[in-house]
Amino acid sequence: GEDVEQSLFLSVREGDSSVINCTYTDSSSTYLYWYKQEPGAGLQLLTYIFSNMDMKQDQRLTVLLNKKDKHLSLRIADTQTGDSAIYFCAESPHGGATNKLIFGTGTLLAVQP
Amino acid sequence: DVKVTQSSRYLVKRTGEKVFLECVQDMDHENMFWYRQDPGLGLRLIYFSYDVKMKEKGDIPEGYSVSREKKERFSLILESASTNQTSMYLCASSSPVEVGTETQYFGPGTRLLVL
Repeated sequence: GEDVEQSLFLSVREGDSSVINCTYTDSSSTYLYWYKQEPGAGLQLLTYIFSNMDMKQDQRLTVLLNKKDKHLSLRIADTQTGDSAIYFCAESPHGGATNKLIFGTGTLLAVQP
Repeated sequence: DVKVTQSSRYLVKRTGEKVFLECVQDMDHENMFWYRQDPGLGLRLIYFSYDVKMKEKGDIPEGYSVSREKKERFSLILESASTNQTSMYLCASSSPVEVGTETQYFGPGTRLLVL
């Protein structure tokens, strides 16, 4: 079945780069997503990547997709304390035919000043 | 910007009560979703709806029902609340015609405590 896995926790120092990793199972996923959840809030879409791309860059964020290994990563350059949050990756299984997303368990990013 | 609102940020209910959680979106989206979020389990889909009066069970529908009488509004109903339904509930909406067709937009969440 569909499954999306992430490590639960990552701690970095302010100014360092953060890399959050995700593995997914459905090779027919058309889009893969990264969402951010700040404390007590809903999920906010950060970025997404189409499955025929290897990389997408958006300011401090870089998304890398290894479709062969079904591995997705989110790199945050110059991490700030305001980046502390839970980060979820998500896949759209079955080529998007179901309109559903499958979310990972989330990675809690803690940024130390 | 898409706006998804949920009727309450925090709710405290007693076991056995009937609980209504309301969600409204203002972008004319066809699809709406209810999730619950628990530590270590991520987001689990309870129900979703792809049109007015249409609904589909998600991964954990037991103990819940939904109602979608109008396109902008999707309600989650706990017929008889139980303590294991204490959780954060998140509503989302999406439109199949948007770029990134499955992009979902989330409300702020309702934190429900059942005593």
